[in-house]
Amino acid sequence: EAQVTQNPRYLITVTGKKLTVTCSQNMNHEYMSWYRQDPGLGLRQIYYSMNVEVTDKGDVPEGYKVSRKEKRNFPLILESPSPNQTSLYFCASSLGSPGATEAFFGQGTRLTVV
Amino acid sequence: TQLLEQSPQFLSIQEGENLTVYCNSSSVFSSLQWYRQEPGEGPVLLVTVVTGGEVKKLKRLTFQFGDARKDSSLHITAAQPGDTGLYLCAGRSGTYKYIFGTGTRLKVLA
Repeated sequence: EAQVTQNPRYLITVTGKKLTVTCSQNMNHEYMSWYRQDPGLGLRQIYYSMNVEVTDKGDVPEGYKVSRKEKRNFPLILESPSPNQTSLYFCASSLGSPGATEAFFGQGTRLTVV
Repeated sequence: TQLLEQSPQFLSIQEGENLTVYCNSSSVFSSLQWYRQEPGEGPVLLVTVVTGGEVKKLKRLTFQFGDARKDSSLHITAAQPGDTGLYLCAGRSGTYKYIFGTGTRLKVLA
């Protein structure tokens, strides 16, 4: 089954403790991206990747890191999480450029930083 | 920075009523997409509109792209409880960035 898989689905952590949210897709998609969703703000793009080893900042990249060493995986790293990073996070992938092709989303990771 | 503003933010209607959701920007988009998101799930694509003035129908949902490609609307005829969800418009900003609208939360009461 074609899908985007994120782990974990729920995570509660403490301020400053490094964490990684994994994202994997099995559709051989070139484009992958991370979003955070906050009430009243919609989804905001954190980072995106056009292909292996090619990444760039979205609109809200501060406090996050990503890597794309393999086509299927695009982990999101929070080196030193802070409470303002409490949010619902989504990973998405698409065959090509966003807007031109369909984006497939994972089921989300709800992160709480205390 | 391109922005997509949606209105209304919230909408609660009775089953059978019609409704329209708007997505507006001051910038031109090469295409706009509409997604629906249900609780606990990621957004799912409904439609992509590409040409200014384009109208697309998906059963009871009608999508329109403005002539100037700065705005779009989603019209639902005879809404049903199964239409309940968060509706999001989205468009490409620049070459690879992708931005979403602020969202319209629809609740259809039986």
